[in-house]
Amino acid sequence: ETGVTQTPRHLVMGMTNKKSLKCEQHLGHNAMYWYKQSAKKPLELMFVYNFKEQTENNSVPSRFSPECPNSSHLFLHLHTLQPEDSALYLCASRTIAGRSTDTQYFGPGTRLTVL
Amino acid sequence: GESVGLHLPTLSVQEGDNSIINCAYSNSASDYFIWYKQESGKGPQFIIDIRSNMDKRQGQRVTVLLNKTVKHLSLQIAATQPGDSAVYFCAENSGGSNYKLTFGKGTLLTVNP
Repeated sequence: ETGVTQTPRHLVMGMTNKKSLKCEQHLGHNAMYWYKQSAKKPLELMFVYNFKEQTENNSVPSRFSPECPNSSHLFLHLHTLQPEDSALYLCASRTIAGRSTDTQYFGPGTRLTVL
Repeated sequence: GESVGLHLPTLSVQEGDNSIINCAYSNSASDYFIWYKQESGKGPQFIIDIRSNMDKRQGQRVTVLLNKTVKHLSLQIAATQPGDSAVYFCAENSGGSNYKLTFGKGTLLTVNP
């Protein structure tokens, strides 16, 4: 729908599991983002990658490990998560064009449940 | 604390009516604002944006108004349809060229047939 795809769409994992979320954008953008969306909270920025380089880590616990192998792909590796990490994880992308007015486009999200 | 917030967490309107969703922001340096729509089970969808050097911008059935004096943003939806039912978020870029969006909690719009 927006050119940003995420897999899986739903994930249930135990606290000792290791899993990865994948995001791919087909829009030719060069910046990618991970957000966490919890119930009754605003969207929380987690990580920012500009031209494959991480430019922001918003004090995210180390049990979340991002990876950006190229400008089209973004991963979020998960290990030893806690039940409070259950949320909708959203990926977004945009074009860096020297202006602040290039909007972000979001993927559909991965609904994560940690048991 | 949160710098972007919404006056009304829920809004219920009749089909065909106009809807107005409001948003307050606190960072006077924010230079860019976006409205997103999020339907159940989906990611946020871009609706319309506005730069800080503008007061008004119109799209298809939607209008965004920016009042920098009182740091207020609104989204007007004309002839609201059942398909407009969703959560609407405003977001501001308070990072300038570093581009960092801050989101509000959202307003749930329900359109009654």
